[in-house]
Amino acid sequence: NAGVTQTPKFQVLKTGQSMTLQCAQDMNHEYMSWYRQDPGMGLRLIHYSVGAGITDQGEVPNGYNVSRSTTEDFPLRLLSAAPSQTSVYFCASSYWDKEETQYFGPGTRLLVL
Amino acid sequence: DAKTTQPNSMESNEEEPVHLPCNHSTISGTDYIHWYRQLPSQGPEYVIHGLTSNVNNRMASLAIAEDRKSSTLILHRATLRDAAVYYCILGVAGSYQLTFGKGTKLSVIP
Repeated sequence: NAGVTQTPKFQVLKTGQSMTLQCAQDMNHEYMSWYRQDPGMGLRLIHYSVGAGITDQGEVPNGYNVSRSTTEDFPLRLLSAAPSQTSVYFCASSYWDKEETQYFGPGTRLLVL
Repeated sequence: DAKTTQPNSMESNEEEPVHLPCNHSTISGTDYIHWYRQLPSQGPEYVIHGLTSNVNNRMASLAIAEDRKSSTLILHRATLRDAAVYYCILGVAGSYQLTFGKGTKLSVIP
C-alpha cells in the first residue's frame, strides 16, 4: 500500500490564483480530512468527509472547498489564494470508527505571495 | 471540546526512558486517549491509544490514571529518532476529528 499520498510537495502561488491540492489513499478508508499547520502550531481541521458524496466543515473552512466523488480521492481547492493561506497542508484518512488510527500524508507546503 | 494539557518541551538522554505527561481533566467516559507524534518536516504518525487500561505496543506504553484525568506516554529507551513533537489527543465520542494542541517537543540528547 502507498498509504496516503499528497501532491504537489511544494507550491508557490500569487495572491488571487487558484489551485487544487491532491490527496489519495489506497486503504479503502471512509473518513478523510484536511488539516493546515502554521509555524509552531498544532494542526487545525479544514474540512472532512465520512464517505463519497459527504463532506463537512472543520474548524477553519473559509477560503477552501472540497468534494469527495470517490472513496480514494479528497482534493482541496483554494479558489482565490491569500497570503494567510501560506501553511503546510496535511491530508489524513481512517476507517469510520473513533478508535481507529488516522494515517497522515507527507504534506504540501504552500507559499502565497 | 475536551482539551488536553501538555508541557511545551522536554529533554531526555539517549537510551533512557521518557515519560511524557498529559492532563485531560474534562475527559468523558467514552473518550479514547490517542497519542500521535510528528517528526521534523513530516506528517503526524500514530503512536498508541487507550480507553481505561494501560496499553503496550512496539513503539511505546500508555499509562492511564485510574480516574482517567491524566495519562503518560512512556518511551522505554529514547533514541535520536524519537525527537519529535508528541500530541496527546482525546477521541471524543460522536466525533472523528482530532483536535491537536501544541504538543510536547521532545529533544533527545546523545
